[in-house]
Amino acid sequence: NAGVTQTPKFQVLKTGQSMTLQCAQDMNHNSMYWYRQDPGMGLRLIYYSASEGTTDKGEVPNGYNVSRLNKREFSLRLESAAPSQTSVYFCGGRSSGLETQYFGPGTRLLVL
Amino acid sequence: SQQGEEDPQALSIQEGENATMNCSYKTSINNLQWYRQNSGRGLVHLILIRSNEREKHSGRLRVTLDTSKKSSSLLITASRAADTASYFCATDPYLQGAQKLVFGQGTRLTINP
Repeated sequence: NAGVTQTPKFQVLKTGQSMTLQCAQDMNHNSMYWYRQDPGMGLRLIYYSASEGTTDKGEVPNGYNVSRLNKREFSLRLESAAPSQTSVYFCGGRSSGLETQYFGPGTRLLVL
Repeated sequence: SQQGEEDPQALSIQEGENATMNCSYKTSINNLQWYRQNSGRGLVHLILIRSNEREKHSGRLRVTLDTSKKSSSLLITASRAADTASYFCATDPYLQGAQKLVFGQGTRLTINP
């Protein structure tokens, strides 16, 4: 099993450009999450999907959109990137009935 | 804003010593979890303690929870160089609906050989 995978690993954008971060899991997770981690900080929840077909805002959703494409895939889109969105983005997953989240390796995003 | 506050922010000890990290939180919780993050990597779950538990062990890890003080501690005994990482507490608030973990800012642990 690959677990939770994220692509790309690293991306540089110019202000105003758009991009989509991809997350896929083969662990049969019902819930999936997108977080951002800024230097010296813990993870902050951007959006989450409690189940296939549903998405909800987290603590810091402004500037982002998400799509739960199917049970395996959950993407995060930046429509018009800003320097404040420079961060490391982590995708997480959790199976129904379990309390532990599993995380991908992260995507490092630099917005110039 | 983040619910968990961790103390200390950074800790440097000699190999073989014990390391203790503390976490405080603000609201009622279902459980509290500890995660480890190696440099440049994702988070890995270490241990979970439920709100009705006071202490839990897993190998060299010991976690305590005091719900009256809204605080938890993580003890790593007989530390090894491989324990060098950042450690995060995450609270699972008592809310209806999907789980939404709230992470502290982490403790950066360095084990010196």
